Amino acid sequence: NAGVTQTPKFRILKIGQSMTLQCTQDMNHNYMYWYRQDPGMGLKLIYYSVGAGITDKGEVPNGYNVSRSTTEDFPLRLELAAPSQTSVYFCASSLDSNYGYTFGSGTRLTVV
Amino acid sequence: GDSVTQMEGPVTLSEEAFLTINCTYTATGYPSLFWYVQYPGEGLQLLLKATKADDKGSNKGFEATYRKETTSFHLEKGSVQVSDSAVYFCALMNRDDKIIFGKGTRLHILP
Repeated sequence: NAGVTQTPKFRILKIGQSMTLQCTQDMNHNYMYWYRQDPGMGLKLIYYSVGAGITDKGEVPNGYNVSRSTTEDFPLRLELAAPSQTSVYFCASSLDSNYGYTFGSGTRLTVV
Repeated sequence: GDSVTQMEGPVTLSEEAFLTINCTYTATGYPSLFWYVQYPGEGLQLLLKATKADDKGSNKGFEATYRKETTSFHLEKGSVQVSDSAVYFCALMNRDDKIIFGKGTRLHILP
């Protein structure tokens, strides 16, 4: 049982480049989330999805886009990378709001 | 808006010491409350949860009780081990079914 799988684990981008952070879960969870974790700042919600075809903005969506074409996959797209997007990104999923989240192991992104 | 406040770290203790990490929350209604743990280089893992007032969540020797009257959910453990060294996050699930996290408390346990 793989749980939530994120790729890549590490990436360095140049300013203005684009990339997609991949997230896949094999637990048939409807709810999926993207967070960023900055040092000393906890986690901030970027985007979330309550099911295939449905996405919505979180607290810090600017500079990012998402899609949810299947239940399993929830990729996060950065179109024009900026140094402010240097962070650790976590994908999470949940079956139901009362069960808490299952997190992936994270993607550490550096924009230079 | 909804928020979670937890004690600043780092917290440094000797092995077998008693641990308390304070957490208070502000939210509308009666949110579900959680403690997550993050070990170095890993994602967050759910440690324990409580879904209503006076519930006690427990796991791996850790406990936390949902106190509605003080809007608190303090994490405790009677005897910590070196392997408990990690960052601990208090969190709530709000009415929009989104989890709001505290800033995290780093715990160092010395042998």
